[in-house]
Amino acid sequence: NAGVTQTPKFQVLKTGQSMTLQCAQDMNHEYMSWYRQDPGMGLRLIHYSVGAGITDQGEVPNGYNVSRSTTEDFPLRLLSAAPSQTSVYFCASSTQGVTEAFFGQGTRLTVV
Amino acid sequence: GQQVMQIPQYQHVQEGEDFTTYCNSSTTLSNIQWYKQRPGGHPVFLIQLVKSGEVKKQKRLTFQFGEAKKNSSLHITATQTTDVGTYFCAGRGSEKLVFGKGTKLTVNP
Repeated sequence: NAGVTQTPKFQVLKTGQSMTLQCAQDMNHEYMSWYRQDPGMGLRLIHYSVGAGITDQGEVPNGYNVSRSTTEDFPLRLLSAAPSQTSVYFCASSTQGVTEAFFGQGTRLTVV
Repeated sequence: GQQVMQIPQYQHVQEGEDFTTYCNSSTTLSNIQWYKQRPGGHPVFLIQLVKSGEVKKQKRLTFQFGEAKKNSSLHITATQTTDVGTYFCAGRGSEKLVFGKGTKLTVNP
């Protein structure tokens, strides 16, 4: 059982480059979300989705786009990377309602 | 919007001492969850509290949910070196799961 899979694990980008962080889950979870983790800032919600075709903004959505064309996948796009987006990114999934969130292993992104 | 505050940000204890972290929400929560993140790892679910005034125990860990469902605490009795990591509370108001900033626990053997 793979759970939540994030790729890549590490990435270095130059300012202005674009890239997509991949997230896939095999638990048929409706709810998926993206967080970024910075020292002293905890986990901040970027975007989330309550089902295929539905996405919404979290606390820090600027500079990021998402889409949810299938239940399994929830990619996070950086259109024009900035040094302020250097962070560790976590994808999480859960069933609808009052349930635990399962996290991927994280992607460590550095923008130079 | 919904905010979840957590204190302290850091806590250093001697092995065998107790540890407590506190969580407060700006809004009433439908439930509160606690997660642990080991250094270099990802957050892992510990427990969920749903009912007002609820208390749950997991071995040396005791979790409480306030009567007003706006605050919670995690208490660890007699800490061990295996307890090191960052402990997060997370509140779900409507659809979003909002995390506190976490308490980083270090344990001196």
